[in-house]
Amino acid sequence: QQQVKQSPQSLIVQKGGISIINCAYENTAFDYFPWYQQFPGKGPALLIAIRPDVSEKKEGRFTISFNKSAKQFSLHIMDSQPGDSATYFCAASIEGNTGKLIFGQGTTLQVKP
Amino acid sequence: GAGVSQTPSNKVTEKGKYVELRCDPISGHTALYWYRQSLGQGPEFLIYFQGTGAADDSGLPNDRFFAVRPEGSVSTLKIQRTERGDSAVYLCASSLTRSAYEQYFGPGTRLTVT
Repeated sequence: QQQVKQSPQSLIVQKGGISIINCAYENTAFDYFPWYQQFPGKGPALLIAIRPDVSEKKEGRFTISFNKSAKQFSLHIMDSQPGDSATYFCAASIEGNTGKLIFGQGTTLQVKP
Repeated sequence: GAGVSQTPSNKVTEKGKYVELRCDPISGHTALYWYRQSLGQGPEFLIYFQGTGAADDSGLPNDRFFAVRPEGSVSTLKIQRTERGDSAVYLCASSLTRSAYEQYFGPGTRLTVT
């Protein structure tokens, strides 16, 4: 119930391409869905987040698509750049709870120049 | 401004020893979280502080793990009788309030138990 499942585990994309990472959840009480980016040796950094009252949110080259009925959400990175090469984590939490984040397993993205 | 800082950045200890990991949150952030990240995995929640009190410690794996935040700022995660399975990166995050959602993570402490 508390799990967030993320796929794919790894992804290789050519520079300029679109990177797509998917996540699925079971607990319908989740109401906050952030994506974090993590570089080796660093802590995760918030990239973009969405709440279930909207189906899409865009910030620069990063877009979250949210499908409440399917309990799925995805991250799209447009015009992927080598500097985007990192590990990406989706997460979920519940408002009114402690705010603790439940993370997916992570996706290692490599953008080839 | 200064972000979340964690010390030490690396800690190597022998099985059975006691360790303390420190977290300095962003000034003014009342909510503080500890997570543990094993190699190739996403961070897993350990404990949450709102102010000085541990409001949720449901993620602590057993009673060898304990954390404090006596003055509502700095927090220390304490692990007794360390085991090799405790080896991981321990991450600290803070947010303005619980409901602010945006959690800022520190760089983590890499703990290796030999």
